[in-house]
Amino acid sequence: DSGVTQTPKHLITATGQRVTLRCSPRSGDLSVYWYQQSLDQGLQFLIQYYNGEERAKGNILERFSAQQFPDLHSELNLSSLELGDSALYFCASSVGAPHQETQYFGPGTRLLVL
Amino acid sequence: EDQVTQSPEALRLQEGESSSLNCSYTVSGLRGLFWYRQDPGKGPEFLFTLYSAGEEKEKERLKATLTKKESFLHITAPKPEDSATYLCAVHQGGSEKLVFGKGTKLTVNP
Repeated sequence: DSGVTQTPKHLITATGQRVTLRCSPRSGDLSVYWYQQSLDQGLQFLIQYYNGEERAKGNILERFSAQQFPDLHSELNLSSLELGDSALYFCASSVGAPHQETQYFGPGTRLLVL
Repeated sequence: EDQVTQSPEALRLQEGESSSLNCSYTVSGLRGLFWYRQDPGKGPEFLFTLYSAGEEKEKERLKATLTKKESFLHITAPKPEDSATYLCAVHQGGSEKLVFGKGTKLTVNP
């Protein structure tokens, strides 16, 4: 158990809908990262937050957005869903300090868009 | 562009048959190289972090090494429970993101 929690575990929805994925980082970690994993793409970095502020952006679509709250939990919002958004979504957390950049991953949310 | 290439894509071993997985990278200012293990449908599980060429780390049957261009994950006398996909990722100086390779799927037969 990495100490990172994600809810829900599974999500089935329809095209055009909007969903919210939630992540709680390990105790003491200030950085939260979101990744998408699909069969053909591997793990792709989406976005990072550090202590409530956006720190880095990867290949995140404009239909997707995220935020980190004062209690450090984070939410990833996916809107106008398409079939191709079906994937595993992982959250990871780290302390965020030099030489403490190891990211610990949560169990993931499996999203299926029908 | 940062590149992380893992080889082989898949590896089948007999129980007890030692081998190595390779991770080659092209990145300027390496800030860290990470190895993870991932079981199907689960989140990546952290194994090792390596920061500089020549560094080695060990955990049970696994040993990770790092040079200036690649890293190896050596598996000694593997057991069926070592079957998983092993992922390599690099952290470049000046960037916050991890760039992952596509992984090596290891199968250890009893």
